Amino acid sequence: EDKVVQSPLSLVVHEGDTVTLNCSYEVTNFRSLLWYKQEKKAPTFLFMLTSSGIEKKSGRLSSILDKKELSSILNITATQTGDSAIYLCAVDRDDKIIFGKGTRLHILP
Amino acid sequence: DSGVTQTPKHLITATGQRVTLRCSPRSGDLSVYWYQQSLDQGLQFLIQYYNGEERAKGNILERFSAQQFPDLHSELNLSSLELGDSALYFCASSPTVRTDSPLHFGNGTRLTVT
Repeated sequence: EDKVVQSPLSLVVHEGDTVTLNCSYEVTNFRSLLWYKQEKKAPTFLFMLTSSGIEKKSGRLSSILDKKELSSILNITATQTGDSAIYLCAVDRDDKIIFGKGTRLHILP
Repeated sequence: DSGVTQTPKHLITATGQRVTLRCSPRSGDLSVYWYQQSLDQGLQFLIQYYNGEERAKGNILERFSAQQFPDLHSELNLSSLELGDSALYFCASSPTVRTDSPLHFGNGTRLTVT
């Protein structure tokens, strides 16, 4: 059965810290891995990683795909309180997108 | 604002009842996806439609059904509701039939079954 597993499930750090969120997957027909940020309502898209684009960066956020280890990490440096959210990892297996349960990140001021 | 519109925002109903959730995709998007989000299960894929046709099915119960209309809006029908159906239901859309572009999510419909 296809699965996407995220760790840790929750994380509390202080403002200014660096965090690393993990995502591992076991799916057939892998096409891409996506990261989303969910604050109060709709998940919003952060990154898409594919075989041809295994590393992405935007400001303080960056992500790497390891196709050999079937995993990805999302790094956030110099965290701010506005980074508090649920971070969702999803894997596109061609006919559908499967989400992990998410990592709930809380940044203390 | 993602451009995906879901109504209603909140819905409270009793067990055994039937409800309809509505979704309007972003302008130009032909694919619509429905997801159920509960605290313990995360985002569960229910069903996808592309240009009016069912494209993929996930963990959708037989009591649930969906359709996409010619104007591309979609409805998710939930019947014989149970307490366990209480969740946040998201609609998402994308331009193509293939899942090669990010999904854009609506703000969800929070369903409470009492």
